[in-house]
Amino acid sequence: GENVEQHPSTLSVQEGDSAVIKCTYSDSASNYFPWYKQELGKRPQLIIDIRSNVGEKKDQRIAVTLNKTAKHFSLHITETQPEDSAVYFCAASDRVSNFGNEKLTFGTGTRLTIIP
Amino acid sequence: SAVISQKPSRDICQRGTSLTIQCQVDSQVTMMFWYRQQPGQSLTLIATANQGSEATYESGFVIDKFPISRPNLTFSTLTVSNMSPEDSSIYLCSVRTGGRSSPLHFGNGTRLTVT
Repeated sequence: GENVEQHPSTLSVQEGDSAVIKCTYSDSASNYFPWYKQELGKRPQLIIDIRSNVGEKKDQRIAVTLNKTAKHFSLHITETQPEDSAVYFCAASDRVSNFGNEKLTFGTGTRLTIIP
Repeated sequence: SAVISQKPSRDICQRGTSLTIQCQVDSQVTMMFWYRQQPGQSLTLIATANQGSEATYESGFVIDKFPISRPNLTFSTLTVSNMSPEDSSIYLCSVRTGGRSSPLHFGNGTRLTVT
C-alpha cells in the first residue's frame, strides 16, 4: 500500500516569511494529492489539492508543487499570518478503482507556528 | 461541500462498554469513510462504508471491534465495541461529494475518552 512521509514535524516561522512542508509518497500509481489544515480541536479542512497531470497549483498565498518522477510534493505558504498556525497534513490517493472508493493515506502532520 | 453532522461530539465511556457514533450527510453520497485520529497523530482509515453491502475494513481493523452500518446514502454509524483506553481517539466521518478523486470532506469528529 501507499506510504506517505512528511517533513518537518514542527516548523516555526516569523510572520510574513514563507513556510514549506514536504511530502514523499511510495506508490507511483497515486494521482491525487490534497493538503489539509487542522486547527486545534477542529476537523481537518481541505486547503488545496493537486492531480498528477499538473505540476503546480496556486491559490492566493498557498501553492502546491508536484514532482512525479521523484514522487514528492510540497506545500508553500507565503506571507504567513498568525491564523496560518495549525497542523497541516498531506495525503496521497491509493490506486484508483472503478467504484470511487480509493482511499487517502495521510502524512504524519506538520505543526506550523507563526511567530508574530 | 456537503454538511456532515456527527453525534455525539464527545463522550467519556467506561472500559468494556460500546459507543455508537452517527454520521448524517445532507446529500446522497456513494462512499462514506471512517477515520481514527489518535491524540497528536495522523488520520488512519478504519473502513469504507458501502450502502447495501458490508463495509470494507483496513488492515488492523475488524468488524467485531468496529461494526459499521450504512442503511442509506446519507447515513452511517460506527460502533466502537468493548472499549479499552487504547480506543481513546477522535473518530471522523468523511465523504466525497463528487465523483472519483473528488475532495474528501470531514465531519467535526467524535472525541472519545475511555476510562
